Amino acid sequence: KQEVTQIPAALSVPEGENLVLNCSFTDSAIYNLQWFRQDPGKGLTSLLLIQSSQREQTSGRLNASLDKSSGRSTLYIAASQPGDSATYLCAVSPNTGNQFYFGTGTSLTVIP
Amino acid sequence: ETGVTQSPTHLIKTRGQQVTLRCSSQSGHNTVSWYQQALGQGPQFIFQYYREEENGRGNFPPRFSGLQFPNYSSELNVNALELDDSALYLCASSWGGLAGLGEQYFGPGTRLTVT
Repeated sequence: KQEVTQIPAALSVPEGENLVLNCSFTDSAIYNLQWFRQDPGKGLTSLLLIQSSQREQTSGRLNASLDKSSGRSTLYIAASQPGDSATYLCAVSPNTGNQFYFGTGTSLTVIP
Repeated sequence: ETGVTQSPTHLIKTRGQQVTLRCSSQSGHNTVSWYQQALGQGPQFIFQYYREEENGRGNFPPRFSGLQFPNYSSELNVNALELDDSALYLCASSWGGLAGLGEQYFGPGTRLTVT
């Protein structure tokens, strides 16, 4: 069974810092990997989707990379802002997949 | 193009009762997945519907059941509610097939509280 781990569980940084969130998964036979943002008590907002044949995706200040062989993905956030404060979740779907396996998330606080 | 919508937003039920949650998928999507998210945890897969048929189920008992309609909207039904069923229930829609799951778009969720 696929297991997804996110480190750190919580992170607090001053505004303007660049930061990296980590996601690791146990089974490299994935179809795609998706990063989400979740505000307290709300649904998930899709940030970036990386298909298994890709190595990275970029959207604005966000960059996500994927290394299937090592079972890792990173989400890089440049020039963090207080509005970036949220929980960030990564999820992977397997090759024969009909579901996403989620990590428990990284809770990010950006201090003004 | 409308996004994924869910109803109701919040719900309070008593142990032993039954509940139905609803989801309207994003236009053009044929696959709906349901997830349960307990406080402080990542979402856990309940089941998926693809073209009105159940297409996979997670580790949830049969009292969790669902339906998908011809317009690809969906319902999640939970019978004999237990206190541990209290959670945020999330619906996600995507364009999928048998080869794998495409990008998922989530609704705002339904917060269920069982007392």
